[in-house]
Amino acid sequence: GAGVSQSPSNKVTEKGKDVELRCDPISGHTALYWYRQSLGQGLEFLIYFQGNSAPDKSGLPSDRFSAERTGGSVSTLTIQRTQQEDSAVYLCASSRGGPGNTIYFGEGSWLTVV
Amino acid sequence: GNSVTQMEGPVTLSEEAFLTINCTYTATGYPSLFWYVQYPGEGLQLLLKATKADDKGSNKGFEATYRKETTSFHLEKGSVQVSDSAVYFCALSEESYGKLTFGQGTILTVHP
Repeated sequence: GAGVSQSPSNKVTEKGKDVELRCDPISGHTALYWYRQSLGQGLEFLIYFQGNSAPDKSGLPSDRFSAERTGGSVSTLTIQRTQQEDSAVYLCASSRGGPGNTIYFGEGSWLTVV
Repeated sequence: GNSVTQMEGPVTLSEEAFLTINCTYTATGYPSLFWYVQYPGEGLQLLLKATKADDKGSNKGFEATYRKETTSFHLEKGSVQVSDSAVYFCALSEESYGKLTFGQGTILTVHP
């Protein structure tokens, strides 16, 4: 597709279960980002992939969070042993890489932990 | 580290009023600056950007000028419409690194 695609769009899970969120970036974009948008918390950076470089994981809130990017394209964000405070919208974005390039966002995956 | 501070909201205006949403930043070097908008029920969209000092970004009647001397990138529109009701985010990307740092967002509501 033309834009960043995320799935699922909505996910309700029980506390303690693992979840996987998927992101398909725009074709040809070398940079991929995950952000989290929580009510009252704004937009929080989680992780950044750029080409073949080691990812910047400095925003991951705990070791329950991890992300992979396979073949320089699709990315999966995994949250293990989910907690209620993990409830948020998880946004994926991509760009051609480098400063000044426009970063395009997907519609997000709304995660609710009950 | 880098940071972006936006004026606190929410902002409520009547149609055709003048809009200013203040944004200031702290960064090393020469970051690129952005305004993103999130309409109700939709994803984040780029509204405008400026990549160097004194550049003016503009789109859909909105403008913002990159002011390095005051480290600001205030968003303005001369006459707002009901359809401009949304959340507006100011952001920067570092000079040598593409990661975006966002402000906390400003909710704008425009009444007829």
